[in-house]
Amino acid sequence: DAGVIQSPRHEVTEMGQEVTLRCKPISGHDYLFWYRQTMMRGLELLIYFNNNVPIDDSGMPEDRFSAKMPNASFSTLKIQPSEPRDSAVYFCASSLAGSNSPLHFGNGTRLTVT
Amino acid sequence: DAKTTQPPSMDCAEGRAANLPCNHSTISGNEYVYWYRQIHSQGPQYIIHGLKNNETNEMASLIITEDRKSSTLILPHATLRDTAVYYCIVRVATTGNQFYFGTGTSLTVIP
Repeated sequence: DAGVIQSPRHEVTEMGQEVTLRCKPISGHDYLFWYRQTMMRGLELLIYFNNNVPIDDSGMPEDRFSAKMPNASFSTLKIQPSEPRDSAVYFCASSLAGSNSPLHFGNGTRLTVT
Repeated sequence: DAKTTQPPSMDCAEGRAANLPCNHSTISGNEYVYWYRQIHSQGPQYIIHGLKNNETNEMASLIITEDRKSSTLILPHATLRDTAVYYCIVRVATTGNQFYFGTGTSLTVIP
């Protein structure tokens, strides 16, 4: 299994531009999570999906952030417009259902907004 | 919303066992304890998890107290490559299966 695949690995953009981060979960996994990590706030859960349906987006910081999961093998996290304070590492993770199922993380996307 | 408490940092001599403690006094009966580690800015790596019994795999051992209010992750022979931030997490079963990460323990393995 290739694991959770995220793209791009690095993204540098200017303030005000739209940014789209992509994630391919592990095949067969029911849950998909988006996290953001910064030095100040650590790992924050932004949103998670169950069977492609968003379940809890209370961690999404602002309306500038949106996430979609059009099918079981693909999800996007979009920031429009981007701001310098959005600079962080964004991780996608997936798991099977049930509290006995580990979460598997991708290698993340390092976003820099100048 | 993290439900766990860990020391912020620990040191361990190379080759010795590293024992990382975690308190989770509000854990519910059907919630599992998970351990992850993160090296630099790589994605967190799954290590081990358990419910009430002690668990062992090729990476580590997990000791859970009988009352389940605390646990210890044991790396039996720490190497320099084990230097990382270690997270103890309780998977929330009642509100939908989220994993909430706390601040973790920064383990430094000393040569």
